[in-house]
Amino acid sequence: GESVGLHLPTLSVQEGDNSIINCAYSNSASDYFIWYKQESGKGPQFIIDIRSNMDKRQGQRVTVLLNKTVKHLSLQIAATQPGDSAVYFCAGPYNNNDMRFGAGTRLTVKP
Amino acid sequence: DAGVTQSPTHLIKTRGQQVTLRCSPISGHKSVSWYQQVLGQGPQFIFQYYEKEERGRGNFPDRFSARQFPNYSSELNVNALLLGDSALYLCASSPTAVYGYTFGSGTRLTVV
Repeated sequence: GESVGLHLPTLSVQEGDNSIINCAYSNSASDYFIWYKQESGKGPQFIIDIRSNMDKRQGQRVTVLLNKTVKHLSLQIAATQPGDSAVYFCAGPYNNNDMRFGAGTRLTVKP
Repeated sequence: DAGVTQSPTHLIKTRGQQVTLRCSPISGHKSVSWYQQVLGQGPQFIFQYYEKEERGRGNFPDRFSARQFPNYSSELNVNALLLGDSALYLCASSPTAVYGYTFGSGTRLTVV
């Protein structure tokens, strides 16, 4: 079936370094993707989204890149901070009614 | 403005019992979706309601049901609870039926 998946379950970076979290998807017709951040004990929090007619979108310290040729997207976090430690999910719509989530990447920021 | 609110935050139930979880969407949001998140996994879609009508259903057994009220709040019911139903149940609301989901903090259900 259609899926959205992340490449690595865990990622550890040094404070101040840049982080890159990757995600692959299988549905070529997907027209919208979202990155969520989930901290312990909380629900997923919207970070940034991108539509399929874009290759790149930037927010505050975050950039999402979309490569439709290889069905891959990535989340880049600049100057990673301890508060960025969380589980990150990519998600894409399926059947217009639900969002399909990857398994998540746990980002740990070392001081 | 209040975000998506869910109640209760935690509860413990016994196998075979029934449970009702509640969700209040952000004011003005007409769509509510329910997700189940098992520990260590991403959220899995259960239901979506928009304007009080079911718009989508995930791959969950008929023991799971939901409804949306005229004020757009929603309830998720699970009958005949199994140990495997233990999870974080998330509610998300959106102004439309497709984009812009905002999640609540969830209800942690433990079935013993």
